[in-house]
Amino acid sequence: AQSVTQLGSHVSVSEGALVLLRCNYSSSVPPYLFWYVQYPNQGLQLLLKYTSAATLVKGINGFEAEFKKSETSFHLTKPSAHMSDAAEYFCAVSTYGAGGSQGNLIFGKGTKLSVKP
Amino acid sequence: NAGVTQTPKFQVLKTGQSMTLQCAQDMNHEYMSWYRQDPGMGLRLIHYSVGAGITDQGEVPNGYNVSRSTTEDFPLRLLSAAPSQTSVYFCASSQNRGSTGELFFGEGSRLTVL
Repeated sequence: AQSVTQLGSHVSVSEGALVLLRCNYSSSVPPYLFWYVQYPNQGLQLLLKYTSAATLVKGINGFEAEFKKSETSFHLTKPSAHMSDAAEYFCAVSTYGAGGSQGNLIFGKGTKLSVKP
Repeated sequence: NAGVTQTPKFQVLKTGQSMTLQCAQDMNHEYMSWYRQDPGMGLRLIHYSVGAGITDQGEVPNGYNVSRSTTEDFPLRLLSAAPSQTSVYFCASSQNRGSTGELFFGEGSRLTVL
């Protein structure tokens, strides 16, 4: 069964610093991987997704993530943090193709990003 | 384009009461789902539907019922509310039955069970 582990429930960076949010997945079949962002009191919205095309995926708001099969990782990065990036970020893996629950996403527990001025 | 609309946004129930959380989408999406979000637990799938008349259980289905009589609507029913069901509930939909499709989320329904 697929699963996702996000390392670090809270990450704090200074404005202008590199953002690195870690995600490792477990999957017996080639996965589809996603990063979603949740701003306070809102639903989640898609940042980017990996669907077996290019391993380096670019998303909205300057974020990108690299799929590394050998490390079973899909870490999210942004070169320079802005105050507006403060939010909670969720990594998710798809169960499609594994049998059973097609189309469902399994989410990690989330990482809350704080940005200090 | 309204997207995914959830009602109510806030609700307080007493233990044992029943209620229905409403979810409607206007994007003609086949796939709809309900998640609950609890601190430190991420999002956990309650029930999902791949089309009208078809529903199935997710990771945490106990205490909840769903139905899908139309493409647009996917209500979540709490049969007999318990304090453990205090949570924020999100409805989400997707165009594709496969998992390459983006999930579109509603703004959430915050439920407190006393």
